[in-house]
Amino acid sequence: AQSVTQLDSHVSVSEGTPVLLRCNYSSSYSPSLFWYVQHPNKGLQLLLKYTSAATLVKGINGFEAEFKKSETSFHLTKPSAHMSDAAEYFCVVRKENTGFQKLVFGTGTRLLVSP
Amino acid sequence: NAGVTQTPKFQVLKTGQSMTLQCAQDMNHEYMSWYRQDPGMGLRLIHYSVGAGITDQGEVPNGYNVSRSTTEDFPLRLLSAAPSQTSVYFCASSWGPNTEAFFGQGTRLTVV
Repeated sequence: AQSVTQLDSHVSVSEGTPVLLRCNYSSSYSPSLFWYVQHPNKGLQLLLKYTSAATLVKGINGFEAEFKKSETSFHLTKPSAHMSDAAEYFCVVRKENTGFQKLVFGTGTRLLVSP
Repeated sequence: NAGVTQTPKFQVLKTGQSMTLQCAQDMNHEYMSWYRQDPGMGLRLIHYSVGAGITDQGEVPNGYNVSRSTTEDFPLRLLSAAPSQTSVYFCASSWGPNTEAFFGQGTRLTVV
């Protein structure tokens, strides 16, 4: 069964330093993977998605993620954090072989950005 | 273009009361779903629909009912609220099974 594990519940960085949010996945198929962001009291917004095309995926707001099959990882990175990046981030895998896009969410990583 | 609209944004219920969480989308999406978000657990799928008149259960369906009479609307009903249903509820829609899911801003429900 498909699942994702977010390795850190909280990540703290200083503004201008790199961001790394870690996600490992488990899937018997070639998975479809996503990163969503949730700002305080807001809905979820899609940052980027991997659907078996290029392994390095670029998303919005300068974020990118690399699909590494050998490591079963899909870590989210950004070269330089901005205060507005402070939010909760969810790694998500889509269950395959279903007629509906069932999304399986990780438990989330809260990113804290200090001045 | 409003996207996915959820109402109300906040609600407090007493145990045993019933209510309906509303979800509407104006993107003509066939696929709609309801998730609940609990601390430390990510989002979990409650019910989903692949088109008007077609619904199915997700991961945590107990205590919730849904119906889909129109493409635009997908209400979630709590027939007899319980404290365990205290959560933040998100509605989502997508054009197809493999396309981006758009989420509403959520309904924060407290059952006392």
